[in-house]
Parts: sequence; structure tokens; C-alpha cells
Amino acid sequence: SQELEQSPQSLIVQEGKNLTINCTSSKTLYGLYWYKQKYGEGLIFLMMLQKGGEEKSHEKITAKLDEKKQQSSLHITASQPSHAGIYLCGADPYSGAGSYQLTFGKGTKLSVIP
Amino acid sequence: KAGVTQTPRYLIKTRGQQVTLSCSPISGHRSVSWYQQTPGQGLQFLFEYFSETQRNKGNFPGRFSGRQFSNSRSEMNVSTLELGDSALYLCASSFQGMSPEAFFGQGTRLTVV
Repeated sequence: SQELEQSPQSLIVQEGKNLTINCTSSKTLYGLYWYKQKYGEGLIFLMMLQKGGEEKSHEKITAKLDEKKQQSSLHITASQPSHAGIYLCGADPYSGAGSYQLTFGKGTKLSVIP
Repeated sequence: KAGVTQTPRYLIKTRGQQVTLSCSPISGHRSVSWYQQTPGQGLQFLFEYFSETQRNKGNFPGRFSGRQFSNSRSEMNVSTLELGDSALYLCASSFQGMSPEAFFGQGTRLTVV
């Protein structure tokens, strides 16, 4: 079965600093999802990457997919307290047929100090 | 456009009881997936329903079951509750073919005492 490893497990940064979260898969990535979760709440969809080399941005968050390395990175530029939360990567273990049986990493807890 | 609605938000049950959780997907979405989230195991896939049929199932015991109605609303049931079933249960809805994103509800926090 596919496993996703996220690093780091937790991160504390000063407001305004840049940061990167990584997600490495044990198997081929067909679709990689990034979500943000506030403690005890639902997941907020950030981005989905499907093709190797693909890069997407939303506001100050950029995600890239390195298909060969079976890895994705999430980069936040000029972090703000509103970016605090748990970031989760999820992957579709099949061919991207949309079965939505996602496997998730354990998450990266981000704290931003004002 | 209303999001994914899960009810109830919080539940406290006693060991041995059963519980039913509800999920109303975004209008027009036909796929509903259920996940269990615990501090130790993280987010784990339970099952997925599409057009009233269970299409995928995760590695959970038979005490966990679900169903989907013709209006795409879904319910999951856990029978003979155990302490280890305490978790945040999340459902996600998606509309296949048009958008690959899955949208999650706020979750139901189940506590088994």
C-alpha cells in the first residue's frame, strides 16, 4: 500500500519568513492533493497536482510535483498567522480515475509567531 | 453554494452502543468518501460511495458500514462501539469528471466512553 511521509512533522516560524513542507510517496504519484486543517475541523482544499513538473500557486502558497522523485513540496512565502494549521498531503493510489480513496500523510503542524 | 454538511458535530456514546453519522454532499456531487482521523493513525480511508454503490472500502472491521441514498446523502454506522473508535470522522464529496477536488465537511467528533 502507498505511504506518504511528510517532513517536517512540525514547524515554528516567525511571521514573514518563508517555509517549505515536503511530502514523499513510497509509490508512483498519480494525483497529489494538499489540504489545510485547523485543529479538530474539516480539511480545506488547497491544490491538486497531477503531472510531473506541475506547479500551482494560490496567493502565497506554491506547490510543486516531482514525479521522478515521487515527491511534492509546498512553499509558503512571507508567512502570516493565518497560515497556521496542519498541512496534509493526500494521494490517489490508483490511476487518477477519481476513486477518491485518498491516502494521507500524518501532517505538518505549522505555527507562525507574530 | 452550500458546502459539505456533517451532522451531528459532536457525539458522546458508551461502549457497546451503535452510532449513525450523516453527510450531505455539495449539490450535484455524486461521490461521498468517509475518513477516520485519530492522533495516532492520522487520516484513514473508510469507504467511498458513488451513485448509491460502495465503490471502495478501506481496511476497517465490519462494524463500520455505510450507505448512500438517491439524493447522494450518505450515512455511516458503527456498531458495538469500542473506545478506540473515538475519532474525528470526516466525509468528502466530489463530482467526478468535472473537477478532481474533494471537498471535506467539518467532521463529527465521536467520543466513546
